[in-house]
Amino acid sequence: SYDLTQPPAVSVSPGQTARITCSGDALPKQFSFWYQQKPGQAPVLIIYKDRKRPSGIPERFSGSSSGTTVTLTISGVQAEDEADYYCQSADSSRTYVTFGGGTKLTVL
Amino acid sequence: EVQLVESGGRVVRPGGSLRLSCAASGFTFYDYGMNWVRQAPGKGLEWVSGINWSGGTTAYADSVKGRFTISRDNGETSLYLQMNSLTVEDTALYYCARSGGDSSAYYNEFDYWGQGTLVTVSS
Repeated sequence: SYDLTQPPAVSVSPGQTARITCSGDALPKQFSFWYQQKPGQAPVLIIYKDRKRPSGIPERFSGSSSGTTVTLTISGVQAEDEADYYCQSADSSRTYVTFGGGTKLTVL
Repeated sequence: EVQLVESGGRVVRPGGSLRLSCAASGFTFYDYGMNWVRQAPGKGLEWVSGINWSGGTTAYADSVKGRFTISRDNGETSLYLQMNSLTVEDTALYYCARSGGDSSAYYNEFDYWGQGTLVTVSS
């Protein structure tokens, strides 16, 4: 198996920038993906291949990568962005898929 | 429109078995890898198992290896999860998810998800 580490919680005020990190040993070699999950709903893909945005995802969501850490950045946070966020990747052999533990974003 | 509809979840006793199904529509099913992901009540997402486009490559989380079996029927555009020797720790909402990307593997981004089917293991 393989572990991805996220902070359990991040809090920001509306209009500020939220940054959620995800760390894992294989991240320099494997793509990362990010999901948003609101209560009672299925997860939604918001970032793929480290930094690409699916159609329909607002531009305020962006992804970046540096070594063993990837970062989801939400610029100009809105109240509707309050949700759980999960990173996902694969191990170096592309056998196991792993999710990070999730980060609860609170908009103050 | 891509649709993934899970079914088969119910209450089952510890040690029991269950087969989950995921009916896919709106895309060319055999072009994509597929996965099962679960979420225990109040907990995070846990990848359970993945299968490539042909069914020739499968993988499992350590927590279910040897107990669960993933399979697919490309003719019926359906994904399955056979779950044996269930324990209370298997209680969760089970999601079916399509793996996108430019290959037919299971480990790419999960671009479409179903709404899940609830499995409760309880005596």
